[in-house]
Amino acid sequence: NAGVTQTPKFQVLKTGQSMTLQCAQDMNHEYMSWYRQDPGMGLRLIHYSVGAGITDQGEVPNGYNVSRSTTEDFPLRLLSAAPSQTSVYFCASSPRDISGNTIYFGEGSWLTVV
Amino acid sequence: GENVEQHPSTLSVQEGDSAVIKCTYSDSASNYFPWYKQELGKRPQLIIDIRSNVGEKKDQRIAVTLNKTAKHFSLHITETQPEDSAVYFCAASRASGTYKYIFGTGTRLKVLA
Repeated sequence: NAGVTQTPKFQVLKTGQSMTLQCAQDMNHEYMSWYRQDPGMGLRLIHYSVGAGITDQGEVPNGYNVSRSTTEDFPLRLLSAAPSQTSVYFCASSPRDISGNTIYFGEGSWLTVV
Repeated sequence: GENVEQHPSTLSVQEGDSAVIKCTYSDSASNYFPWYKQELGKRPQLIIDIRSNVGEKKDQRIAVTLNKTAKHFSLHITETQPEDSAVYFCAASRASGTYKYIFGTGTRLKVLA
């Protein structure tokens, strides 16, 4: 059972470039989300989805887009990378009742924008 | 908006001593409170959780207590070991409405041998 799979694990971008962080889960979870982790800032929610075709913004959505065309996949797009987006990104999933169930995290994607 | 404050940001204890990490949440409708442990370069992993209808939960050397009136909950680790060294995050979420966890800013625990 692969769980939550993120790619790539490491990426260096130049300012202004665009890219997509991929996330897939094989647990048939309806809830998926993206967090970024910065030193001293904890895990901040970027976007989340409660099912295919449904997405919503989290705490820090600016500069990022998401889509949820299938239950399994939840890609995160950086439209025009900025140095402030240098961070570690975690994708996570959970069964439908997010309020009482464990969040499962992917292994993380280390992104550096120069 | 919703907020979870976590203290302390760093904590050093001698091996065998106890460690306590405290979190305070702002959303009174929150009713699920998990704790995650994150080792260096790894993903956060759930270590224990508690729901609002329970005041305390224990799992071997780890326990969590919840005070709904004061809106705070705490993680207690007894007989600490070097492998307990990690960053610990608390989180809070509610049963309806929002489908998101709000995380604390983390506590870096160092267990000194």
